[in-house]
Amino acid sequence: GESVGLHLPTLSVQEGDNSIINCAYSNSASDYFIWYKQESGKGPQFIIDIRSNMDKRQGQRVTVLLNKTVKHLSLQIAATQPGDSAVYFCAENTNAGNMLTFGGGTRLMVKP
Amino acid sequence: NAGVTQTPKFRILKIGQSMTLQCTQDMNHNYMYWYRQDPGMGLKLIYYSVGAGITDKGEVPNGYNVSRSTTEDFPLRLELAAPSQTSVYFCASSDRTSGRKNIQYFGAGTRLSVL
Repeated sequence: GESVGLHLPTLSVQEGDNSIINCAYSNSASDYFIWYKQESGKGPQFIIDIRSNMDKRQGQRVTVLLNKTVKHLSLQIAATQPGDSAVYFCAENTNAGNMLTFGGGTRLMVKP
Repeated sequence: NAGVTQTPKFRILKIGQSMTLQCTQDMNHNYMYWYRQDPGMGLKLIYYSVGAGITDKGEVPNGYNVSRSTTEDFPLRLELAAPSQTSVYFCASSDRTSGRKNIQYFGAGTRLSVL
């Protein structure tokens, strides 16, 4: 079946550097994508979203890029901080679906 | 504003026992969801509900039951608990009225061990 996946299970970055977390999706009907952050022992927390009619969306220190040609989604975190250490999930919503399909997650580790 | 509240936070069950995981939301969201998350893995959808009185199966519904008698509450029932149901369970809700985006808000989770 079609699913969302991630290229890297673990990403280690130096504090202050920029982080890039990648996600590949295979469902061309997906019209909406979300990035979630999950800290240890907590539930997933919404970070940023993007509709399929957009290529880029910026938030505070975070940017999501969508490349529909290669079905690729990325989350960029500027000036990564220790508080950014968490597992990051991408999720996709299909055009007619009531559900989000989550990827396997990438663990971001920030070194001081 | 509490958001999505799950109880209990932790529970240990013996094989064959049953229990109900409680979930309530105070955001008047029409959609609610139950997921399970195994260690080091992503979230898998168990059941969801698009409104009071309406429920539907997700990806991994076997061994679970749900009901939605009110907008606020969406309990998950485990019958005849098995070790394979050891997991962290998350409840979520979203406002899907008038074509709103499917941003789901999650509770803190219930950590369940079946021994």
